[in-house]
Amino acid sequence: GAVVSQHPSWVICKSGTSVKIECRSLDFQATTMFWYRQFPKQSLMLMATSNEGSKATYEQGVEKDKFLINHASLTLSTLTVTSAHPEDSSFYICSAATGSEQYFGPGTRLTVT
Amino acid sequence: AQRVTQPEKLLSVFKGAPVELKCNYSYSGSPELFWYVQYSRQRLQLLLRHISRESIKGFTADLNKGETSFHLKKPFAQEEDSAMYYCALSSAGNKLTFGGGTRVLVKP
Repeated sequence: GAVVSQHPSWVICKSGTSVKIECRSLDFQATTMFWYRQFPKQSLMLMATSNEGSKATYEQGVEKDKFLINHASLTLSTLTVTSAHPEDSSFYICSAATGSEQYFGPGTRLTVT
Repeated sequence: AQRVTQPEKLLSVFKGAPVELKCNYSYSGSPELFWYVQYSRQRLQLLLRHISRESIKGFTADLNKGETSFHLKKPFAQEEDSAMYYCALSSAGNKLTFGGGTRVLVKP
């Protein structure tokens, strides 16, 4: 149980375009989902907290107009990277919380050319 | 602001030897600490949490509030323990702050 999926697992897009990443909790409902970013050989850094039915809360330094988060249901949160640039290339990981425990998705590798 | 420090980026040990991964934290509130593990080509998964005070896969970790530490230990390392280990602290709203990670390599 407690499986979290992400789609796509990897994506390449051109500079200036937008890309959407989905995070789904497959067998449980998650009122809260989190989005992280991981640069090569570095740790995970929390970008934002996504709550079902309300606006996401962004960490300091994360541009909310750049990284749009929608939490439309108790099993789905999406992260849209708008007007992507090469510096947005990274590994994006989501997690879904049930109680005080978080379950992590497999991650999405984004490459912006 | 909270902070988690893992001073060792790489720990290389022989099979059967003890292994200890260090984790220090700074947090003004009452901390809830975790160890996560990421095996090669797999997602991050919870290894253990301090409130459960249990041993998972032979690993234990004790919260020392005086030293603000939560070191992870295993008396006899196995090859399958080779992985990336992250110490994390949970703050308000279940937000996790991760340490930089320690790669453990267990040699045969």
